Parts: sequence; structure tokens; C-alpha cells
Amino acid sequence: GQQVMQIPQYQHVQEGEDFTTYCNSSTTLSNIQWYKQRPGGHPVFLIQLVKSGEVKKQKRLTFQFGEAKKNSSLHITATQTTDVGTYFCAATTTDSWGKLQFGAGTQVVVTP
Amino acid sequence: DAMVIQNPRYQVTQFGKPVTLSCSQTLNHNVMYWYQQKSSQAPKLLFHYYDKDFNNEADTPDNFQSRRPNTSFCFLDIRSPGLGDAAMYLCATSRDGAGAGEQFFGPGTRLTVL
Repeated sequence: GQQVMQIPQYQHVQEGEDFTTYCNSSTTLSNIQWYKQRPGGHPVFLIQLVKSGEVKKQKRLTFQFGEAKKNSSLHITATQTTDVGTYFCAATTTDSWGKLQFGAGTQVVVTP
Repeated sequence: DAMVIQNPRYQVTQFGKPVTLSCSQTLNHNVMYWYQQKSSQAPKLLFHYYDKDFNNEADTPDNFQSRRPNTSFCFLDIRSPGLGDAAMYLCATSRDGAGAGEQFFGPGTRLTVL
């Protein structure tokens, strides 16, 4: 079945630095969503990308959807301690009927 | 505020003793999902309801059952919990299941099996 691969699994970042997490699929995706889960918390929706090549920004977060709709990235600039958590990509395909296929997540630790 | 509520937040049960987790939503969403999340892993979908239509994932153990008596409530029943069932159980909702839009997650119930 479809799998969404997410890298890196862990990311240690110094406060103020940038980092990027990537998701890749072998199949074409209908859309891709990104969620953030704080330690001890639950996943919280960040964004949804639907169109080929789409780029969306939320303050210091930039989300991209690849031209072939098989990959996506989340780039965070000037990391802050509030960015700590696990970031999941989650994708749907035309035959998944809205069921999200989650990537393994990138656990982000920020060093002050 | 519209939201997804899960009770209890923490549940301790004994090996083999049935347990029921509950979820309620004030969002009036059509779709409700149950996920299992183990430490440092992604949420794993167990099943979902589109209105009253129940959809089970192929690899969800028979030990797990669900009920949705009305739009607002959904229950997860674990008939004979094993040690491997200890996890965070997340309920989520979406307005329309056809791949459109975000899922709203509840705070989760952390299940401990002794």
C-alpha cells in the first residue's frame, strides 16, 4: 500500500537556526496535510496543500507541495523554543477516501 | 467553543478486563475516527465512521470495537486488553471524509494495562 516516508526522524536545532523536514511518496497524492504535536499533546492541524507546486507560508513556516504531488516539505526559519514538538505530514490519495496516511514524524528539539 | 472531548484522559485497566473510551464532539462533523498512538510513533487509524457507516481498517484487531450511537458520540471498546494495547487513543473528526480538510483531534486517552 501507499507509504509516506518522512525524514529526518529527529532534528536537534539551535534556537535561531532553520530546518526542513521532508515527506515523500511513491504514488501521486491528492493532498497533503501537516500537523504539529507538542510533547504530551495531540496533533494539531497546520496546513493543507492540494495543488501541484503549491507554496504556503505561516509566519516562519513555509510549506511546499512538489510539482509531481509526490513530495512535500516544511521549512521553519529562525527556530524558537515554541517550535518544539513532532511534525507529521499526512497524505490522502484518490482511493484512500479521506483517510490520512501519516508519515513517521520529525521530532524537533530546540536548544536555547 | 466547538471541540472534541475525550473521557477519561487517563485509564488504567487490568489485563483482559474490558474497557470503554468515549469521544464527543460539538463540531457536528460527519466523520469520526479512532487512532492508536504508541510512544514516538505516528497515529495509526483503527476505524472511522461516516455518519453511521462503520469502516474498519484491515489490520485492526478484532479485540477493538466501536459504536457511534449518534452524531456527537463515539465509543471505543477494547474487549480484552493486552499489554500491547497500552497506548494513547486519539479521537478525531472531520467535516467531510472525502479528503477535504483538516482533522480535529481530541486530547486523547492514555490507556495503561496492568
